Amino acid sequence: GENVEQHPSTLSVQEGDSAVIKCTYSDSASNYFPWYKQELGKRPQLIIDIRSNVGEKKDQRIAVTLNKTAKHFSLHITETQPEDSAVYFCAASSGGSNYKLTFGKGTLLTVNP
Amino acid sequence: DVKVTQSSRYLVKRTGEKVFLECVQDMDHENMFWYRQDPGLGLRLIYFSYDVKMKEKGDIPEGYSVSREKKERFSLILESASTNQTSMYLCASRPGSSYNEQFFGPGTRLTVL
Repeated sequence: GENVEQHPSTLSVQEGDSAVIKCTYSDSASNYFPWYKQELGKRPQLIIDIRSNVGEKKDQRIAVTLNKTAKHFSLHITETQPEDSAVYFCAASSGGSNYKLTFGKGTLLTVNP
Repeated sequence: DVKVTQSSRYLVKRTGEKVFLECVQDMDHENMFWYRQDPGLGLRLIYFSYDVKMKEKGDIPEGYSVSREKKERFSLILESASTNQTSMYLCASRPGSSYNEQFFGPGTRLTVL
């Protein structure tokens, strides 16, 4: 089955800096890669996603890049703000079971004012 | 607005008790999922269901069973609760297509004494 590795497990940045979280996946048939944000005590919520036929997608301060050849994808947050502090999860939807997401273990991002 | 609700936010049970966790979604989604979330281990899939009365094991099904008698409701059952099942349990639902967003419930914090 699909295996998703996520790094780093914790990331601390100063407000205004950029943050990058990286994930790799194992199943070359995976075709959908969402990112979820989970604030403390709340449920995970989708913040951005990318399909396998797209190399990059941007939404205001967040962007996701995908390298299908290397089987890795990354989340980029620019001009970080304290409210960006949360746990971020990457996921991949494996080609054989497209309704099932396999999640990385998460990255705790702390933005220091 | 999609709503995924769970029957309890907090639950305390004793070892050996039978425990039922209920999840309801109101958007006619085909797929429903049960995860447990533990620090450092991310979101681990216990069971999922892609249709009424259909179920498949996830990555950690041991000690759990599920029931889906109606499309909107997916139940997680701990036949004989053990202390190592103390965890946060998250339900989720997703439409039956590769690229659709998955929506999470608020979670149930289960403590087994």
